Amino acid sequence: QSVLTQPPSASGTPGQRVTISCSGSDSNIGSNYVYWYQQLPGTAPKLLIFRKTQRPSGVPDRISGSGSGTSASLAISGLRSEDEADYYCASWDDNLSTWLFGGGTKLTVL
Amino acid sequence: QITLKESGPTLVKPTQTLTLTCTFSGFSLSTYGVGVAWIRQPPGQALEWLALIYWDGDRRYSPSLKNRLNITKDTSKDQVVLTMTNMDPVDTATYYCAHLYDVLGLDQWGQGTLVTVSS
Repeated sequence: QSVLTQPPSASGTPGQRVTISCSGSDSNIGSNYVYWYQQLPGTAPKLLIFRKTQRPSGVPDRISGSGSGTSASLAISGLRSEDEADYYCASWDDNLSTWLFGGGTKLTVL
Repeated sequence: QITLKESGPTLVKPTQTLTLTCTFSGFSLSTYGVGVAWIRQPPGQALEWLALIYWDGDRRYSPSLKNRLNITKDTSKDQVVLTMTNMDPVDTATYYCAHLYDVLGLDQWGQGTLVTVSS
């Protein structure tokens, strides 16, 4: 069981907006940056969001990150079939002195 | 352009020691703020962080695995090596190395290498 909690699944139809949540605690999300990764089937994770809200170059602006306190969210608007993937949140934990990953959310585009 | 590539055995026997090498390019592990991490992913399961080594040699390990892990770096060869002792079938996973830099976090990943533990 992951210390960062994500819903196991999410879904939406093309064009819709979907959000994926990530819940942690004061020692991780509450005091450190949050990162979001996309993992397409059979590939390595790709960084989508860093510092909770910032996008690396090349990531479209229909993808956004937000959050407050000990929770964070990833939003994908204008949903496309190519967005179908697993999504993971991550954060450093001050108490454990480790990186933590959420359990992952499988996004299905209906 | 930053690239990383994992290499090592695809099959190990239970109780053996696994040695994986991450060979990278496009950055130096002697640069302030830079690190290289190892993460694994059992088939069909979530990502699990294993270990991290920083530019200054500082090392961090997953608390649940720290007694079995050792991470080292060879700056002259642009390589990071992870060893994991006493391998078990539950350690079967794809092992990734990743570049870490400051607020960007784990921003670049290798393609991963699948390690199967079986007799």
